[in-house]
Amino acid sequence: AQSVSQHNHHVILSEAASLELGCNYSYGGTVNLFWYVQYPGQHLQLLLKYFSGDPLVKGIKGFEAEFIKSKFSFNLRKPSVQWSDTAEYFCAVNSRETGTASKLTFGTGTRLQVTL
Amino acid sequence: KAGVTQTPRYLIKTRGQQVTLSCSPISGHRSVSWYQQTPGQGLQFLFEYFSETQRNKGNFPGRFSGRQFSNSRSEMNVSTLELGDSALYLCASSSSPLSYNEQFFGPGTRLTVL
Repeated sequence: AQSVSQHNHHVILSEAASLELGCNYSYGGTVNLFWYVQYPGQHLQLLLKYFSGDPLVKGIKGFEAEFIKSKFSFNLRKPSVQWSDTAEYFCAVNSRETGTASKLTFGTGTRLQVTL
Repeated sequence: KAGVTQTPRYLIKTRGQQVTLSCSPISGHRSVSWYQQTPGQGLQFLFEYFSETQRNKGNFPGRFSGRQFSNSRSEMNVSTLELGDSALYLCASSSSPLSYNEQFFGPGTRLTVL
C-alpha cells in the first residue's frame, strides 16, 4: 500500500525566508507525485506535479519540487516566501501502473504560517 | 469555466440517520473521486467513478456508497451515521481517470453528526 509522510506539521517563517517542506513516499512501483495547497477558506488546488521527465518541476507562484527517486522524496521549495503563502500544503502520490485508478494518497499536511 | 460544485455545503445530522451528498464536476470531466478529510486521519480516498462505473474504493465500511449519473454528476450516501463520520467530504473531478491528470477539488460538504 502507498503511504506519504510529511515531516513538518507546522512551519513558521518570516517573509523572504526560504522554504523547504519534506515529503517521502512509500511505494514499490512507478508513481506520480503532487503538491496541493489549501489557502484559508479556499479549495484544494494543485501547485505542481511530476509524472516523468525532468525531476525538477516548477509550479505556480514560484514553487518548485525535486523528485529524488533513490530517496523516495519529493520536497517542495520556494526561495522567498510571502505572507500570502500562508496555507496548508499537502503532498500526494498515485500509482502509474496500468489499470489502476487515479486515487491519491495524501500526506497529513504541513501548515505554513508566514509572518510579516 | 465553472469549478466543481458540491451541495449542500453544510449539514447537521444525528446518529443513525443517513445522508446524501452531491457533486457536479467541471463541465466535460467524466471522472469523479470522493475524499474524506478529518483532523485525525487527514485526507482519505473513498471511491472513484468514471462513466457511471466505480473504478476503485477505499477502506471504508459498506455504509459509504456512491454512484455516478450519465451526466457525470455524482452522489455519495452514508447510512446509519456515526459520530466519527463528522468530516469534510471533498469531491474532485478530472477529465479522465489517467493517473497523472490533475484532480480539481470542490469546496467540500461539512458534515456534523450529533
